[in-house]
Amino acid sequence: QLVLTQSPSASASLGASVKLTCTLSSGHSSYAIAWHQQQPEKGPRYLMKLNSDGSHSKGDGIPDRISGSSSGAERYLTIFSLQTEDEADYYCQTWGTGIQGVFGGGTKLTVL
Amino acid sequence: EVQLVESGGGLVQPGGSLRLSCAASGFTFSSYWMSWVRQAPGKGLEWVANIKQDGSEKYYVDSVRGRFTISRDNAKNSLYLQMNSLRAEDTAVYYCARDSPPDCSSTSCLVYFDYWGQGTLVTVSS
Repeated sequence: QLVLTQSPSASASLGASVKLTCTLSSGHSSYAIAWHQQQPEKGPRYLMKLNSDGSHSKGDGIPDRISGSSSGAERYLTIFSLQTEDEADYYCQTWGTGIQGVFGGGTKLTVL
Repeated sequence: EVQLVESGGGLVQPGGSLRLSCAASGFTFSSYWMSWVRQAPGKGLEWVANIKQDGSEKYYVDSVRGRFTISRDNAKNSLYLQMNSLRAEDTAVYYCARDSPPDCSSTSCLVYFDYWGQGTLVTVSS
């Protein structure tokens, strides 16, 4: 079964960097994913598509301080130089045959 | 600029019906698959349904199949979700989203949601 696992919460200081993790279930380690950001009381926003080899392509207007990488079944979202507007929920998402859209549970990022 | 604007949410009793709409602009609507994604209060995102460009293929999450119907009107650049036999667990913010074209490797294909609306709240309660 295709499942994406995310830690429920993360925190980091203003100006620091943070790395969020999304783990693909067994047998699906080659899958590409997408990362989405949801700021409080807003609709989600597409950030990037991330391949298993770490190559990624970002959405319109996504700043250079947001990056993605991969290792095995893990997909990472790294945010450098944290700003207050980065405080948000972050969701990974992939696609399954017969299942269609699959989301991770989301990580709530707190900027201290 | 791509815009997706949902409407039609509200309060409905269990067993009732509601029709959501999504007005699309800023892109060639008829060229894209479209999806509905929902978010229960305080919970994560859940994909609900999607529809092919010409409406000939539709897919649903198991929990809504047989109760919800996704449709579209390309002449009006609009996406719809007809929700019947509503249950308390259908209470959520419903988002309209544009599906990216499939990006396939040798092992799998990724479709992601590259644009989202602001959502419309559906509350199912007596």
